Amino acid sequence: DTAVSQTPKYLVTQMGNDKSIKCEQNLGHDTMYWYKQDSKKFLKIMFSYNNKELIINETVPNRFSPKSPDKAHLNLHINSLELGDSAVYFCASSQGPPVSNQPQHFGDGTRLSIL
Amino acid sequence: GENVEQHPSTLSVQEGDSAVIKCTYSDSASNYFPWYKQELGKRPQLIIDIRSNVGEKKDQRIAVTLNKTAKHFSLHITETQPEDSAVYFCAAREDYKLSFGAGTTVTVRA
Repeated sequence: DTAVSQTPKYLVTQMGNDKSIKCEQNLGHDTMYWYKQDSKKFLKIMFSYNNKELIINETVPNRFSPKSPDKAHLNLHINSLELGDSAVYFCASSQGPPVSNQPQHFGDGTRLSIL
Repeated sequence: GENVEQHPSTLSVQEGDSAVIKCTYSDSASNYFPWYKQELGKRPQLIIDIRSNVGEKKDQRIAVTLNKTAKHFSLHITETQPEDSAVYFCAAREDYKLSFGAGTTVTVRA
């Protein structure tokens, strides 16, 4: 029944590894997002897709690559993980892009810890 | 976010008292202002939002006010309860994205 679901919930891995986080929403929304929440709780947008098209691509290292196979899914692949990548990553979705001023619904987050 | 400032960063109130959190934004074209509540270890959840065509919106014990001229908006929680303890984030839709404030940790003392 979860509206926005992310997997895995926790991810502990070594520096230098490559990992992926998956997100799925069953709300019928056409826009999905990835946010990063650092240790100080600051929430910052990373990427957004609207109908599988990339619409937001903030200043993020190119080691981070999003992929949206369809409107209901948005995955995040991270290459060559670094210590500074440790954070909680939230997926979110909304009906329409940000300019439509529709509420964004968040998933439960993926806590990524780099050893 | 860089353009959304939120104060205070921490707020401790006695149960039953009111809590007020204030945010300012820089983009005069901003027209959507949501507030999110995040409990420890949980996801941010939308609690109320306001669009720029109104100055105030209320939902039971929470209310939000917007002053477009001064470019600030506030969250008011009345009759606070222990379950109101959480981190609260304001946000403003600036250009193509939502920019979030740095958060206010609210603690309601029983």
